[in-house]
Order: sequence, then C-alpha cells, then structure tokens
Amino acid sequence: EAGVTQSPTHLIKTRGQQATLRCSPISGHTSVYWYQQALGLGLQFLLWYDEGEERNRGNFPPRFSGRQFPNYSSELNVNALELEDSALYLCASTRTYEQYFGPGTRLTVT
Amino acid sequence: AQSVTQLDSHVSVSEGTPVLLRCNYSSSYSPSLFWYVQHPNKGLQLLLKYTSAATLVKGINGFEAEFKKSETSFHLTKPSAHMSDAAEYFCVVSDRAGNTDKLIFGTGTRLQVFP
Repeated sequence: EAGVTQSPTHLIKTRGQQATLRCSPISGHTSVYWYQQALGLGLQFLLWYDEGEERNRGNFPPRFSGRQFPNYSSELNVNALELEDSALYLCASTRTYEQYFGPGTRLTVT
Repeated sequence: AQSVTQLDSHVSVSEGTPVLLRCNYSSSYSPSLFWYVQHPNKGLQLLLKYTSAATLVKGINGFEAEFKKSETSFHLTKPSAHMSDAAEYFCVVSDRAGNTDKLIFGTGTRLQVFP
C-alpha cells in the first residue's frame, strides 16, 4: 500500500509570493490534515478536509487556505508569503482516527 | 482543552541501556494518546497508540508505553536503546472536541544514543 505522498519536496519562494503544496492520501482515506512544523513553534494543526469540505482550521490567518479534490487529494495554498511561513508542512490522511503522515514539503521564504 | 507536556527536550542514553521519554497529558475526557517518531528529514511515523483498551501498549521497534490515569502520564520506554533510535519523539493527544480529530503535539524530545 502506497503511503501519503507530498510534492514538492522543497519549495523556495520570496516574500509576497504564493505557494502551493500538494498531498495525495493513502488509497481509501477520505480525510486530509495539514500541519505546520516551524522552528521553535513545534507542530501545529492547520487545516482538516473531509469528503471535499473544510471541517476545521487551526489558529492561522486566512491567507492559509486549501481544498480537497474529488479523488481526496488536497492542496494547501499560502498567499502573501511572510518569512515566518518558512517551515516543514506535513500532510496526514486517515480513514478512522489514526493519522498517517507524508514526508512533508519544506517551504523556505526568502 | 486537551494538551500534552513532554518533560524533557533532550534525552541521551548509551546504546544497550533503557530509554524513558516522559509525557503528561491533560484531558477533560478519556483521551486517545499516541507516540510518533520523526527521523531527520523524514515524516512522522506512528510508534504506538492508546485508545482506552489495554493500559500497557506495545508499539513498533520494541517501544511500549503505559497509560496511567492516576498520574495523567503516558511515558514511552524501551528496554535497550539502539543507534537507529536516535530521532525526535512526539507525544500526541487527539482532540475530538467539536467533532474534529486534530492532533495536538507535544514539543518533542530529541533522543541521542551514544555508542
């Protein structure tokens, strides 16, 4: 069984630009979670998508958004990038309550 | 609100000696608790989970954890450390308030294993 995949592995952007990160869940998983792992801030919940709908979001500004497609893959968009958005962004998928994580996308904002 | 506190940011052990990574939780109801491991430049891997069944939970790679309600603890142990165990370990509680299953992570414990 293939695991959760994320692309790209690394992404370098400049301040003010937009970043798009992608996640493909494990086959059969309908929920996708996004987390941010920033230096000094630990792992924080960003967004939860289930059956194509945004179900919950963490304490992040609206410039963090995303969507889930009919095939349950998901996109995370970060607009108006700021330096502090530099982090590892992890995606997880689940069918019940156990979350399986992808390898992450490392976003660097210069 | 749910939360977890990892009591040590760094733990160093010699190869072959026991490992103890400490975690305390706070929960207004019966929690689901997890330990995840993160190797450098890798994603998170589930080591073990507690979901109100047996209080002693066995995981992968020889790790186990005991849920102690009276102490609100969920410490991770391994009888004999291996060099490959060097990684960051996260104690995690599942927050089911508001019909969400978001995970709340502790701040992590970096385990170093010396030869």
